[in-house]
Amino acid sequence: GQQLNQSPQSMFIQEGEDVSMNCTSSSIFNTWLWYKQDPGEGPVLLIALYKAGELTSNGRLTAQFGITRKDSFLNISASIPSDVGIYFCAGQGAGNQFYFGTGTSLTVIP
Amino acid sequence: DTEVTQTPKHLVMGMTNKKSLKCEQHMGHRAMYWYKQKAKKPPELMFVYSYEKLSINESVPSRFSPECPNSSLLNLHLHALQPEDSALYLCASSRNFGDGWKFFGPGTRLTVL
Repeated sequence: GQQLNQSPQSMFIQEGEDVSMNCTSSSIFNTWLWYKQDPGEGPVLLIALYKAGELTSNGRLTAQFGITRKDSFLNISASIPSDVGIYFCAGQGAGNQFYFGTGTSLTVIP
Repeated sequence: DTEVTQTPKHLVMGMTNKKSLKCEQHMGHRAMYWYKQKAKKPPELMFVYSYEKLSINESVPSRFSPECPNSSLLNLHLHALQPEDSALYLCASSRNFGDGWKFFGPGTRLTVL
């Protein structure tokens, strides 16, 4: 199946810094979602986006649905140690197609 | 209740064993999914049940056999697995098939010896 490309693949940042990551596709999606996965746990949904150009926040997290409908962005402000984990984007297209991104591994250094 | 539960948390089995993974949700969701996840990789879809009927089988080997006894339960029966089947097995549910908002369980860490 199709794979969404996430960038960067991994990040090592200092506590308190802001984080930006993105997800790109060659196809258009109707819904973009961002999940976080802690080690040994299942992915947890952070933010869901349903309209091109939509900007949605969840606490220190902000995500945007790209206007081309082929990309999405996630920003984390003032990172803290518990932000550590792997962040996956996911796209929902027509015909019930649902694809995960390749993941961005985040390490926060206290 | 917005939780998907999975048992067991960990499972070690030999290649000749038969075991089952269980998943339960009480959110009234009508779509349930099995995913397989290798370390540092995204989850890979295995099966989708919609209204208790198998809708998608992503060419999964027959040594994996899903079952949906009712709208709240999903099982994955395992038989004659191979060491390369060792992975985290995730169950998920959504309100309907096609709803991108999926709730995931904590997963079963499976090791095949």
